[in-house]
Amino acid sequence: KQEVTQIPAALSVPEGENLVLNCSFTDSAIYNLQWFRQDPGKGLTSLLLIQSSQREQTSGRLNASLDKSSGRSTLYIAASQPGDSATYLCAVETSGSRLTFGEGTQLTVNP
Amino acid sequence: DTAVSQTPKYLVTQMGNDKSIKCEQNLGHDTMYWYKQDSKKFLKIMFSYNNKELIINETVPNRFSPKSPDKAHLNLHINSLELGDSAVYFCASSSPSGEPLEQYFGPGTRLTVT
Repeated sequence: KQEVTQIPAALSVPEGENLVLNCSFTDSAIYNLQWFRQDPGKGLTSLLLIQSSQREQTSGRLNASLDKSSGRSTLYIAASQPGDSATYLCAVETSGSRLTFGEGTQLTVNP
Repeated sequence: DTAVSQTPKYLVTQMGNDKSIKCEQNLGHDTMYWYKQDSKKFLKIMFSYNNKELIINETVPNRFSPKSPDKAHLNLHINSLELGDSAVYFCASSSPSGEPLEQYFGPGTRLTVT
């Protein structure tokens, strides 16, 4: 059974810092990995999707990497801003169009 | 706007009642999902439908019954509501088979059972 773990559970940083969020998964037989953002009381917004054959994806100040063999992914946020404050969720797709989510990292960027 | 929409956004009801949550997507996707996010914010899949057919059915009490009248709609009906059903329920849809599974989520329905 696939399990996804995210570390740290919570992170507080001053504005302008670069930061890394970590995601690990137990079964490396994945099709892809997706990073989401969830704002309080809101739904999930897809940030980046990395296919299993890819090593990384970039969008603006966000860069996500994937090391499928070791079961790890990182989300790098450059020059963090208060507007980046949210919960970041990692999810992996396994067989049967199934997404398994981690518990998320709650990020606070302080002005 | 193209999106996944859910109604209602908030639902407060008493134990034992029956309630429904509606979901619609206008993205042309074939697959739709229901997720439950509990008080610890853990998001877990409940059901998935592809072209109106059930393809994922996790260990969910049979008080929960999804219904897909067409591939743009996936409604969730809950019978005999219990306190433990209180959670946020998210609907999602995903891109067609053969493409990377990128899921798009609705805004959620916060269900409170008293």
